[in-house]
Amino acid sequence: EAQVTQNPRYLITVTGKKLTVTCSQNMNHEYMSWYRQDPGLGLRQIYYSMNVEVTDKGDVPEGYKVSRKEKRNFPLILESPSPNQTSLYFCASSFFPGSSYEQYFGPGTRLTVT
Amino acid sequence: QQQVKQSPQSLIVQKGGISIINCAYENTAFDYFPWYQQFPGKGPALLIAIRPDVSEKKEGRFTISFNKSAKQFSLHIMDSQPGDSATYFCAASKGSGGSNYKLTFGKGTLLTVNP
Repeated sequence: EAQVTQNPRYLITVTGKKLTVTCSQNMNHEYMSWYRQDPGLGLRQIYYSMNVEVTDKGDVPEGYKVSRKEKRNFPLILESPSPNQTSLYFCASSFFPGSSYEQYFGPGTRLTVT
Repeated sequence: QQQVKQSPQSLIVQKGGISIINCAYENTAFDYFPWYQQFPGKGPALLIAIRPDVSEKKEGRFTISFNKSAKQFSLHIMDSQPGDSATYFCAASKGSGGSNYKLTFGKGTLLTVNP
């Protein structure tokens, strides 16, 4: 089954404790992206990757890091989480370039930082 | 700067009625306009999308109307059903020229269809 998986799905942590949210896709997509979803703000892009070893900042990159060592994986790293990073996080992927820009989203990771 | 404005924030419709959600964009470089549907506890999923070279696209009960000159597009859900109750996001993207395929989202519309 074609899908984007994220782990963990739920995470409660404390300020300053480094964490990683994993994202993996099995569709051979070149493009991958991280979004955060906050009430009243919709979804905002954090980082994206056009291909292996190619990453760049989105609209709200402060406090996050990413890496793309393999095509299928795109982990999101919070080296020193803060309460304002409490949010719902989505990983997405798509082909690049292509006739369709459809991005496939993972199920989400709900993060709470206390 | 909000590049995609979506309205209304919430919408209540009776079963069988028509649901209409509107979006307006600012960036004329956008060339792809999808609508995503999100159920509670799930990630957004593509519902229907349109490019600016057509004014309307229909898939089943879902229709996108696109007005390039006004920089507006809307989603119409005909014969709305309780199973359509979800949050709907419009989005826009510019995918040509090797640019970021970032989806710029509206803030979402919570649709409730009463039985």
